[in-house]
Amino acid sequence: EAGVVQSPRYKIIEKKQPVAFWCNPISGHNTLYWYRQNLGQGPELLIRYENEEAVDDSQLPKDRFSAERLKGVDSTLKIQPAELGDSAVYLCASSLELQGSAFFGQGTRLTVV
Amino acid sequence: GQQLNQSPQSMFIQEGEDVSMNCTSSSIFNTWLWYKQDPGEGPVLLIALYKAGELTSNGRLTAQFGITRKDSFLNISASIPSDVGIYFCAGGTSYGKLTFGQGTILTVHP
Repeated sequence: EAGVVQSPRYKIIEKKQPVAFWCNPISGHNTLYWYRQNLGQGPELLIRYENEEAVDDSQLPKDRFSAERLKGVDSTLKIQPAELGDSAVYLCASSLELQGSAFFGQGTRLTVV
Repeated sequence: GQQLNQSPQSMFIQEGEDVSMNCTSSSIFNTWLWYKQDPGEGPVLLIALYKAGELTSNGRLTAQFGITRKDSFLNISASIPSDVGIYFCAGGTSYGKLTFGQGTILTVHP
């Protein structure tokens, strides 16, 4: 069974440009997470979906970040415009149920120059 | 917000030695998960704990869910070079939120 798939793996953009990340969770997993991981730190939650509903977006900087999970399957995270401080690894994870184990994709390493 | 204190921050050990790391929190969690992350990769789930007091093994790895539900430990026995990496604990709430520790960097000298 395929794991969580993320693309792209790497992205380098100039500040003020937009960027989008895509995630396809494990088939059948209702819960989808987007995390941001800064160098030397643990992942920090940006947004969590139950099916197509965003149930926790309290840590998402809504002035520049947006996310969607149409049809409750794959998801897109967008930053517009990007800032230098957005450089980080963006991780997507999914779990079968609310309190289930979360499985991560390989992440997208974003560098904003 | 919820915070996890993971210790130690880093460990340098000889191959064959046993390793122990732990996480503590001021908040109660319903689940404890332990992950390993290699450079340039996403975290990989090692062990999941769902019940207070639960002790679970996965090969050379053993983890326990503290009886107070505020802590967990991970032990690695007879370490090998491929155990090198960053280990993260994560506490999960009843409504599905996962909070991660800051990680323990493990270095194993052959």
